[in-house]
Amino acid sequence: DAMVIQNPRYQVTQFGKPVTLSCSQTLNHNVMYWYQQKSSQAPKLLFHYYDKDFNNEADTPDNFQSRRPNTSFCFLDIRSPGLGDAAMYLCATSREPTYEQYFGPGTRLTVT
Amino acid sequence: KQEVTQIPAALSVPEGENLVLNCSFTDSAIYNLQWFRQDPGKGLTSLLLIQSSQREQTSGRLNASLDKSSGRSTLYIAASQPGDSATYLCAVRETSGSRLTFGEGTQLTVNP
Repeated sequence: DAMVIQNPRYQVTQFGKPVTLSCSQTLNHNVMYWYQQKSSQAPKLLFHYYDKDFNNEADTPDNFQSRRPNTSFCFLDIRSPGLGDAAMYLCATSREPTYEQYFGPGTRLTVT
Repeated sequence: KQEVTQIPAALSVPEGENLVLNCSFTDSAIYNLQWFRQDPGKGLTSLLLIQSSQREQTSGRLNASLDKSSGRSTLYIAASQPGDSATYLCAVRETSGSRLTFGEGTQLTVNP
């Protein structure tokens, strides 16, 4: 059974055209994360939600926004995608006490 | 700033061989350490989580050890199989905050 679900799995968007990626979870975890992973690189944390509290990484561009309307869902909005934003976007969840992170399958974003 | 290093970057072994993947981190004040597996174009699968108070964890053919004082962890894979071919990532969660800091990974190829 899928525990962290990401949709779509593949997304193609045009340069500058807003795009939204979604993540849902059935684990009832209170922490949700968004990572960006470029080819052959380690995942890079963009931001995370601890319950409803939003935590942005200092070097995350303003072009990236996020929404978490409830415990189960989290969205990544890219307001004006550039060619450099083409990457795999990974959603993950965790909870106390171990904070073991569980990842979704990722969304591969292509910018044309 | 925490830095995580994985050596070697790539490893190719014949089927059946036992092998060790290495992970080192610069700040020993960690909450836990997690080993992941990533297949090409896929998300991350959690393999083992070691809490800072633990020395090792085992799951099937996998054994992970942690030496906080020296800033090192190893992932031991017994009797390797072609299906073990993937990139293995080590990540540490620091005592403060929810951030996971990842290494660049070791790309493992097990040849039949």
